Amino acid sequence: DTGVSQDPRHKITKRGQNVTFRCDPISEHNRLYWYRQTLGQGPEFLTYFQNEAQLEKSRLLSDRFSAERPKGSFSTLEIQRTEQGDSAMYLCASSFGRLDGELFFGEGSRLTVL
Amino acid sequence: QKEVEQDPGPLSVPEGAIVSLNCTYSNSAFQYFMWYRQYSRKGPELLMYTYSSGNKEDGRFTAQVDKSSKYISLFIRDSQPSDSATYLCAMSVDSSGGSYIPTFGRGTSLIVHP
Repeated sequence: DTGVSQDPRHKITKRGQNVTFRCDPISEHNRLYWYRQTLGQGPEFLTYFQNEAQLEKSRLLSDRFSAERPKGSFSTLEIQRTEQGDSAMYLCASSFGRLDGELFFGEGSRLTVL
Repeated sequence: QKEVEQDPGPLSVPEGAIVSLNCTYSNSAFQYFMWYRQYSRKGPELLMYTYSSGNKEDGRFTAQVDKSSKYISLFIRDSQPSDSATYLCAMSVDSSGGSYIPTFGRGTSLIVHP
């Protein structure tokens, strides 16, 4: 399967712990996005990479959140000192850019903060 | 007021009905309009894509964009139980003008009952 893969699919953690999610995009895609989705809401943009450069971050993104995409391949999203409000589905998507906005999503990493 | 407004539903219809899903938006710079389908506990998948105004048809699905009214629609003909999902509208500005990060509506939950 050559789709976008995310790991882990589900993470349960205690408040205050750090968590890290990994995303492997479709191999020829140079654009990578992280979104967050809570129940009953649409995906909310977090951050965007073109190759290894992080070009945009949402103003809503707390400084507890950091993302990297070393060498323009896989990406990691780390949340430090998790809070209960961080509980959500974290979606990764990639794009080649031929059709602006045509994103291919992974199945998401669900975070539950107790 | 959110940039993209979408009624969350749920919308319940009998099999075979014609379904109409809609979104309104406030940002007149949006040029790319998309519909994504999201099944429960899965990532969104692109269903339809339209650039600027007009109609686009693909099988049982028709997407319409009315930029003068800032209103987009998705029609599903001969709806099937397998169409039961959440439908997310998304839109982005032209990449030559800057950001190509889709903004999503909150999604409409559709239930097609046999």
